[in-house]
Amino acid sequence: EAGVAQSPRYKIIEKRQSVAFWCNPISGHATLYWYQQILGQGPKLLIQFQNNGVVDDSQLPKDRFSAERLKGVDSTLKIQPAKLEDSAVYLCASSLGFVTMNTEAFFGQGTRLTVV
Amino acid sequence: SQQGEEDPQALSIQEGENATMNCSYKTSINNLQWYRQNSGRGLVHLILIRSNEREKHSGRLRVTLDTSKKSSSLLITASRAADTASYFCATDPQGGSEKLVFGKGTKLTVNP
Repeated sequence: EAGVAQSPRYKIIEKRQSVAFWCNPISGHATLYWYQQILGQGPKLLIQFQNNGVVDDSQLPKDRFSAERLKGVDSTLKIQPAKLEDSAVYLCASSLGFVTMNTEAFFGQGTRLTVV
Repeated sequence: SQQGEEDPQALSIQEGENATMNCSYKTSINNLQWYRQNSGRGLVHLILIRSNEREKHSGRLRVTLDTSKKSSSLLITASRAADTASYFCATDPQGGSEKLVFGKGTKLTVNP
């Protein structure tokens, strides 16, 4: 089965610019997560979707970050405007979801963002 | 906020030795999972243990869970150089929306 696809793999932007990341989860997975992982730290949950609804965005900096999951499949995460501290790897993951009581998550390779 | 806290932060061993990593968490959970991350790559799921389970095995991996102490351990037996990676525990807290909350990780180095 195809894994979680993310693009781009790398992105370098200047501060105050905007950037968007794309994620295509595994087919049939209801739950989609976006994580931010700063170098040397564990992944921090930014937003969690169940199908196309948001179930948790408590740690998403909503003044600059936005995310959507149209039709409950693909998702995009946007940062506008970017700050230096946004430099991190952005990981997308998907799982079957709570209906199956199986929260094993499959991760994409991530997008490494550098803000200069 | 970080739910899990791995210990130690870094561990260096020789090939063939066993590696033990611990995870402590704060709130009651539905399950706890361990993931591996090789440098510069995505996370890979290793094993899931439910709150009503005490021990689970998968190949060279052994995971224990003590819900009374809110802690888990991951044992890798007969380690190999290829086991060099960061290891994270992730918890699904009870009462939530099937979250996956990660700790800070243990960086394991296995020397050949």
